[in-house]
Formats: sequence, C-alpha cells, structure tokens
Amino acid sequence: GQQLNQSPQSMFIQEGEDVSMNCTSSSIFNTWLWYKQDPGEGPVLLIALYKAGELTSNGRLTAQFGITRKDSFLNISASIPSDVGIYFCAGQLDQAGTALIFGKGTTLSVSS
Amino acid sequence: DTGVSQDPRHKITKRGQNVTFRCDPISEHNRLYWYRQTLGQGPEFLTYFQNEAQLEKSRLLSDRFSAERPKGSFSTLEIQRTEQGDSAMYLCASSSGRNEQFFGPGTRLTVL
Repeated sequence: GQQLNQSPQSMFIQEGEDVSMNCTSSSIFNTWLWYKQDPGEGPVLLIALYKAGELTSNGRLTAQFGITRKDSFLNISASIPSDVGIYFCAGQLDQAGTALIFGKGTTLSVSS
Repeated sequence: DTGVSQDPRHKITKRGQNVTFRCDPISEHNRLYWYRQTLGQGPEFLTYFQNEAQLEKSRLLSDRFSAERPKGSFSTLEIQRTEQGDSAMYLCASSSGRNEQFFGPGTRLTVL
C-alpha cells in the first residue's frame, strides 16, 4: 500500500532550538496534514496544506506543501518543553474526504 | 466540549469475546472515520462513512469487524471473537466539507 517516509524518527533537542522534520512519498498527494500526539491521546491537528508550494504558519509552527506534491516539511521554532510529543505527517490522495495515510511519526524530546 | 468523543477510553477483554466501541463526532460533521494505531506506528485507516453510508473499507477490516452509523450521527465499531492481534488504539475522526480530520481521544483495547 501507500507509504509515507517520515524523518527523523526521533529528535533530542535543547529548549530554544529550532526543529525540522519532513515526509516524502512516491505518490502525489492533494492534501498534507500535520498532527501532534501525546501519550494515550488522539492526534491533534496542527496545520493543513492544500496547494503545492503552500507555506502555512500556526504560531511557532510552519509547514510547507512541496512543489512536487510528494513531500512536506514541518518546522518548529524556539522549542519549549510542551512541544514534546510525537509528530505525524498525513497525506490524502483524494480530495473527496477519504482516508489519510500517516507516516510513522517523529518523536520529539526537549530538554530544558 | 464540542470535540470528537469516544467511549470507552480503555477496554480489556479476553480472547474470543466481542467488544463494541462508540464514537460521537463533532456536531454537523457528515464524515466519520475509524483508524487503528499500534505502538510505534501511525494510525491506519479502517473505514469511512458519509452520513449513514459506509463508503470505503480497508482490507484491514476483516470480517470480524463491523461498523455502523445508523442515523448519520454516532458510530459503533464492533469486533467479534477478538484476537490478541486486535490489541491497539482505535481512533475515530470526523470532518466536514474540508479534508481536515479531527480525532477523538481513542479507545485502547487490550486482548488477553
């Protein structure tokens, strides 16, 4: 089936540092979404991207929809301890509101 | 709270038993999705409803799994004759006309 390659798998950073993670696929996606998940909870939507080249920010988070429509990245600036969690990218092949395909996640640890 | 809710949050059952989970989507969201998530993985799509119609089912949804959304509002996911391999987090999400899917907190199933 379809797969998203998300990297890095994990990151250990100091508070205040910037973070970057990305997702790539062999397939073209029409939508890219970025989620954050805390232990024992469901994923929380951070940013949604709908057009190739689109750059969208949500506070300290910035995400981009790759020009080729096969990749996306998420940046977090000036990280803080509450940024700790697992970040997932998710892509959608069809704009008719069907299944999301998820990456395996990037686990972020922030030390103060 | 107007988010997606799921019940129960945790379920422990013995192998061979049947279990049923409930999901209440965000009000007026006509689309509802079920996903399954195992440790260290991203969520995997199981099935999708638009209103009361089940429009898409993953090959992951074996014949022991059945989902319903009888009145186009809440949904139930039933697993018959549970197996240890069914142990996972079962996530429900809902969306409206856009492709952004909002997740509930999940039901963690443990099959002994």
